[in-house]
Amino acid sequence: QKEVEQNSGPLSVPEGAIASLNCTYSDRGSQSFFWYRQYSGKSPELIMFIYSNGDKEDGRFTAQLNKASQYVSLLIRDSQPSDSATYLCAVIRREGAQKLVFGQGTRLTINP
Amino acid sequence: GAGVSQTPSNKVTEKGKYVELRCDPISGHTALYWYRQSLGQGPEFLIYFQGTGAADDSGLPNDRFFAVRPEGSVSTLKIQRTERGDSAVYLCASSTQGTDTQYFGPGTRLTVL
Repeated sequence: QKEVEQNSGPLSVPEGAIASLNCTYSDRGSQSFFWYRQYSGKSPELIMFIYSNGDKEDGRFTAQLNKASQYVSLLIRDSQPSDSATYLCAVIRREGAQKLVFGQGTRLTINP
Repeated sequence: GAGVSQTPSNKVTEKGKYVELRCDPISGHTALYWYRQSLGQGPEFLIYFQGTGAADDSGLPNDRFFAVRPEGSVSTLKIQRTERGDSAVYLCASSTQGTDTQYFGPGTRLTVL
């Protein structure tokens, strides 16, 4: 079992709809959770981080964390073609560990 | 302000050669990380520096890989006797003390022929 798992996609969503990206992790002691966006040929760009159970909203983005189910998701409302990218889920497994453990990423395409 | 910078942006070398990849973190960031990303995969952790010392080098694949950060700012990743399997994008990230949010540089694409 991979430490962080994501559906590789591609996930295709019409413009204006809600895109839902999912991630599960295996280490129940994981402390911090991150979503990065990566455009083709570019480096990862931090979008959101979340530490506590529940929802965290930032503009069109909402991160959701459920530690009991070991599940973290990213919702993108009013999807735009510019949101087309690979979305990487990453976790820090325990306090003080610092290193990010990434999933393989989900490729998202927003269709005009 | 300036973000993380990495040089060179591309490096092509021959099998068996030695390469150095450089990372200049965001000013004031005490923590520096190296990751490696292969095509279609997420980045994989290599090594983490807090200040000048390597706090965690558990991701270095073998003893051909070595990294230094002598003055607690710029870091150099060194790869000896390169192999074709070392071909990847090498990413550097930095973070400020007391936080775990990491910001990535543009990466160095290493190709070993």
